[in-house]
Amino acid sequence: DTEVTQTPKHLVMGMTNKKSLKCEQHMGHRAMYWYKQKAKKPPELMFVYSYEKLSINESVPSRFSPECPNSSLLNLHLHALQPEDSALYLCASSPDREGYTFGSGTRLTVV
Amino acid sequence: GENVEQHPSTLSVQEGDSAVIKCTYSDSASNYFPWYKQELGKGPQLIIDIRSNVGEKKDQRIAVTLNKTAKHFSLHITETQPEDSAVYFCAANGGGSYIPTFGRGTSLIVHP
Repeated sequence: DTEVTQTPKHLVMGMTNKKSLKCEQHMGHRAMYWYKQKAKKPPELMFVYSYEKLSINESVPSRFSPECPNSSLLNLHLHALQPEDSALYLCASSPDREGYTFGSGTRLTVV
Repeated sequence: GENVEQHPSTLSVQEGDSAVIKCTYSDSASNYFPWYKQELGKGPQLIIDIRSNVGEKKDQRIAVTLNKTAKHFSLHITETQPEDSAVYFCAANGGGSYIPTFGRGTSLIVHP
C-alpha cells in the first residue's frame, strides 16, 4: 500500500459544528503532516507528528486540534471554524525527512 | 529561514514541446530539492527529487538540474503531453529543517 487515504473527500460545515478529518497510511512512515491549501497557492504547513508526538505546530488557531491515535492514523478535529478556513486540507506522510506522500485532501467549506 | 522563488507562474506549450520551470533558493545549507505535480482535485505527487551532492537527475521525460553555486534548480519536461498539464511546485529543505519550503507553483498547460 503506497497511499495516504483521507476522508471525507468533501465536507460542508456550519460555524457552530464540530467535525473531524481523518488520514490513514500503511507505509510505516513515522512522520505525518497536516497542510492547508488555498486555491492557486502552495500548501501551508499546520502540524507535524513525528513518532506519534506533535513536534511542530505552526501557530495554528486552537479551533484546529490534531490527534495521532497510532502510527497509521492522523485526525484533525474542527470546532467553531470561520468561513476563511474553507480550503483543501492535505495530509502527508514521509519515512524520514524527505519525500512526502500526500493524500488527495478534504475539500472543506465553512458556511 | 528559507525562501524559494519559482518562475514562471504560468507556462503554455504545444504538445511535443519542452517545458522548463526554474526555482531559486536562499539558504545555502538546503540539501534536498523535491518537485511535486498537482492535478486538479488531487493532492501533490512527488515526481522527482535531487540532493545537493548531485548536479542532474533524469527519469524518462523529466529531469532536474541543480546549480549549488547559483542556488537554483530547474525542472525539464521533454516531449510534453496533455496529461502533463497540472500545477508544479518546487521545494527546498533547509539544512537546519526537514520541513520543505514550497515555491508558489507553475501552472503548465499543454495544448494538443
